[in-house]
Amino acid sequence: RKEVEQDPGPFNVPEGATVAFNCTYSNSASQSFFWYRQDCRKEPKLLMSVYSSGNEDGRFTAQLNRASQYISLLIRDSKLSDSATYLCVVNVPLTGGFKTIFGAGTRLFVKA
Amino acid sequence: DAGVTQSPTHLIKTRGQHVTLRCSPISGHKSVSWYQQVLGQGPQFIFQYYEKEERGRGNFPDRFSARQFPNYSSELNVNALLLGDSALYLCASSLELLSGQGVETQYFGPGTRLLVL
Repeated sequence: RKEVEQDPGPFNVPEGATVAFNCTYSNSASQSFFWYRQDCRKEPKLLMSVYSSGNEDGRFTAQLNRASQYISLLIRDSKLSDSATYLCVVNVPLTGGFKTIFGAGTRLFVKA
Repeated sequence: DAGVTQSPTHLIKTRGQHVTLRCSPISGHKSVSWYQQVLGQGPQFIFQYYEKEERGRGNFPDRFSARQFPNYSSELNVNALLLGDSALYLCASSLELLSGQGVETQYFGPGTRLLVL
């Protein structure tokens, strides 16, 4: 079983649609959680951190359920510019540091 | 402020050669991590360094090594290159290693594309 699993995608949605990304992680010791966005042939860019209380940034809402070891990202009113790969990221503590584990990513295509 | 920088941007090597990739973190960031990303996959964790010490290592062979310098910049070395080492190598920096306070959030450089022929 992969340490971080995401929907395989791709997702093809029209502009204005609401799209949800799901992610599960296997290590219950995981401490911090993030969503990154990666455009084609570019580096990952931080989209948002994910907190247990849930957090929202404009059209983006992230949720964390520690009991279920589940993370989600909701994009409302999707734009053409939201087309990218969305990466679920988990930090697992190590002695003196941490290990960052990425999911394989879910590709999103938003079409006009 | 400058973000994370990496050099070179692209590199072509042949099997058996070695390569050195370089990374400069965001000013004030003390931790640097290295990742390998092959096409269609998420980045895979290679190393984490903090204050010049290795603090984490992923499942990569001993051909991969790294170090961090007093100015917090870092090098990733790969010896005896294989075709399968062809990938995008990403460096990320974070302010600190403390978890849960935001200071561990990582910011990525543009990467080095390595092609092994």
